[in-house]
Amino acid sequence: DAGVIQSPRHEVTEMGQEVTLRCKPISGHDYLFWYRQTMMRGLELLIYFNNNVPIDDSGMPEDRFSAKMPNASFSTLKIQPSEPRDSAVYFCASTGGGNEQYFGPGTRLTVT
Amino acid sequence: GEDVEQSLFLSVREGDSSVINCTYTDSSSTYLYWYKQEPGAGLQLLTYIFSNMDMKQDQRLTVLLNKKDKHLSLRIADTQTGDSAIYFCAESIYNQGGKLIFGQGTELSVKP
Repeated sequence: DAGVIQSPRHEVTEMGQEVTLRCKPISGHDYLFWYRQTMMRGLELLIYFNNNVPIDDSGMPEDRFSAKMPNASFSTLKIQPSEPRDSAVYFCASTGGGNEQYFGPGTRLTVT
Repeated sequence: GEDVEQSLFLSVREGDSSVINCTYTDSSSTYLYWYKQEPGAGLQLLTYIFSNMDMKQDQRLTVLLNKKDKHLSLRIADTQTGDSAIYFCAESIYNQGGKLIFGQGTELSVKP
């Protein structure tokens, strides 16, 4: 398996633009997690899904952030409109049994 | 609430042993994990321990768990320059699916 796949790897956008981050979990995994990593706040869980259903979105910072999982092999995290304080590395992770989370390489987002 | 604490930095000489410490607050944790993050990469699962164990050894890695004190440590024997990275401790919470609570990470610097 190729592991968790994220795209794009790097995104630079201007404030106010819409940003969409994509994730393909490991085949057969039924949990998917979105994290944000910054120097100031460390690694934060934003939202996670089980069998494509959002279970806990309490970490989503505000209404500008939304996440979907239309099927078992694809998820998106959208920021609209983006702001400079959204600049961070966004990770997607997946797990099959709730024990070992496998992380993707991350998307480095820069909002100018 | 759940909280995981780690010291931020550790510096050792090549060939020495490294010990990275972590404390957690939730006594219902089922599994505790150690992840490694190299620059520009995602988190890589190193090892994990079930909460009813007190020690686990895997090649150069030894995990010690003191459940009474809610203290977890990761010992790396014969530390190499390639071990330089950020190490994250994480706990899983009973009855919350695959959700993990991460510490802020310990940056290990290995000097030749």
